[in-house]
Amino acid sequence: GENVEQHPSTLSVQEGDSAVIKCTYSDSASNYFPWYKQELGKRPQLIIDIRSNVGEKKDQRIAVTLNKTAKHFSLHITETQPEDSAVYFCAASKMGSARQLTFGSGTQLTVLP
Amino acid sequence: NAGVTQTPKFQVLKTGQSMTLQCAQDMNHNSMYWYRQDPGMGLRLIYYSASEGTTDKGEVPNGYNVSRLNKREFSLRLESAAPSQTSVYFCASSDYSIGTEAFFGQGTRLTVV
Repeated sequence: GENVEQHPSTLSVQEGDSAVIKCTYSDSASNYFPWYKQELGKRPQLIIDIRSNVGEKKDQRIAVTLNKTAKHFSLHITETQPEDSAVYFCAASKMGSARQLTFGSGTQLTVLP
Repeated sequence: NAGVTQTPKFQVLKTGQSMTLQCAQDMNHNSMYWYRQDPGMGLRLIYYSASEGTTDKGEVPNGYNVSRLNKREFSLRLESAAPSQTSVYFCASSDYSIGTEAFFGQGTRLTVV
């Protein structure tokens, strides 16, 4: 089955700096890569996703890049703010009628004021 | 619009007791999922239901059973709870046939003593 590895497990940045979280996946058939943000005690919520037919997607301060050849994808957050502090999860899945997500182990991002 | 609703939010069980976690979605999604979240391990898929009337095992199905009662409801049952099942359980739903993301419920924190 699919295996997703995520690094780093913890990340601290100064407010205004950029943060980068990286994930690798094992199944070359995976073609959907979402990123979820989970605040303490809350549910995971989708912040951005990318499909395998594009290499980069951006939404305001958040961007995701995908390298299919190397089987890795990354989340980039620019101009970080204290409210960006949370646990971020990457995931991978294949297209299908029920897309079962395989998650990375998570990154605790702390933005220091 | 409530989205995905789980009950209960918290539960303490004794080893060997049984219980059912309930999940309902009001977004008319075809697919529903049960994940468990443990520290440092991300979210792992227990069971999923691609559509009403079907269920399949995920990554960690042992010790659990599920029922897709109708299109809206998907329950998770622990027949004989074990301390290893102490976790936070999340239900999710999606309709990837029209490209929707996975929406998560608010979670159930289960402790087995």
